[in-house]
Parts: sequence; structure tokens; C-alpha cells
Amino acid sequence: DAGVIQSPRHEVTEMGQEVTLRCKPISGHDYLFWYRQTMMRGLELLIYFNNNVPIDDSGMPEDRFSAKMPNASFSTLKIQPSEPRDSAVYFCASRRGLLASYEQYFGPGTRLTVT
Amino acid sequence: TQLLEQSPQFLSIQEGENLTVYCNSSSVFSSLQWYRQEPGEGPVLLVTVVTGGEVKKLKRLTFQFGDARKDSSLHITAAQPGDTGLYLCAGAVAAGNKLTFGGGTRVLVKP
Repeated sequence: DAGVIQSPRHEVTEMGQEVTLRCKPISGHDYLFWYRQTMMRGLELLIYFNNNVPIDDSGMPEDRFSAKMPNASFSTLKIQPSEPRDSAVYFCASRRGLLASYEQYFGPGTRLTVT
Repeated sequence: TQLLEQSPQFLSIQEGENLTVYCNSSSVFSSLQWYRQEPGEGPVLLVTVVTGGEVKKLKRLTFQFGDARKDSSLHITAAQPGDTGLYLCAGAVAAGNKLTFGGGTRVLVKP
């Protein structure tokens, strides 16, 4: 299995531009998570989906952030407009099964820099 | 909000030394996981503990879940440079689908 795939691996953009991050979860996994990691705040859960349906988006910082999962094999996280404080590493993770104690598999992350 | 606090935040030791990382909370967790993250990669699961007082061993790593299921520790015996990384604990509350991550402990093992 290829694992969780994220693209791009690195993104540099200017303030005000739209940014779209992409994720392909592991086939057969029914949960998908988006996280953001910074030195100051650590690893934060932004939103998660179950069977392509958003379940909890309480971690999404502002209306500038939106996430979609049009099918079981693809999800996007969009920031519009981007701001310098959005600079972080964004991770996608997937899991098979209901319990949080089951293993989450993380992708390699997208390092976003907003100038 | 369930908060997980890890200590220390940073640990630098020589190869062959032992180290312990702590993960504490005022909340009770139904399960707790430890992950290791290397630079440029996502976290990778090391272990899951679910029973209060549980001890699990993974080669030179020993994980313990507190009796009250509010804290956990990770002990590495005879650390090696390959143990270098960011160690993260993550807890799940009963009937919850998501994890809350601690702030992480950055471990550097010098040869």
C-alpha cells in the first residue's frame, strides 16, 4: 500500500492567494483527518470526516478554511485568502474503524509558507 | 477540553543513556497512544495502551498507562541515535472518535 498521499509537499504563496492542499487516504479507511502542526501550538485537529461526511469541524480556525471530501479516495483543504499566520505543516491522516484507539496513518505533510 | 501536557519539552542525551518522557492530564482517557515523528515525515504510531496500569514493551521502549488513566510515560533504555525524534502522546476519551495530542517532546541522542 502506498500509504496516505499528500500534495504538494511544499507550497510557497503570497498573502491573499488561495491555497489548496490535497490528500488521498489509504484505500478502505473510513475516517480522514486534517491536522495542522506549528512549533507554538503543536499538532491540532482541524476537521475529520467519516465515510466522506464532515463530522467535526470545530478545529477549523476561521471561515477562510474549508475542507471537502467528494469521494472516499480524495479530500482537499482550502485556504482563501491565505495569511502569513497560516504558515505551518498540514497533515492528512486516515484510519479504518470507529474507535480513536485504532491506528491513524499520517501522510508526509504539506509545508505551507505564506509570505 | 482535554489537555495533554508533555515533559520535558526537549531532551538531549548521549548514546547509551536512559530517558523518560511524561504525558499528563487532568482528564481520564479511554486509551492513549504514543507516536514518533522524524523530520519531514508524519507521526508514526508506536503503541496504544487501553487499561489502567498497563505496561507495554517494544524492544528498548517501555510504555506505561497510569492506574487512573490520566497519565502515561515512555522510557527508553540505552538510547541510540536512531531514537532521535519528536515523541507525541495522544489521548482519546470514551466514545470519542478523535485524538487530542500533547505538545511533544523533542529527543536528541548524540553518538
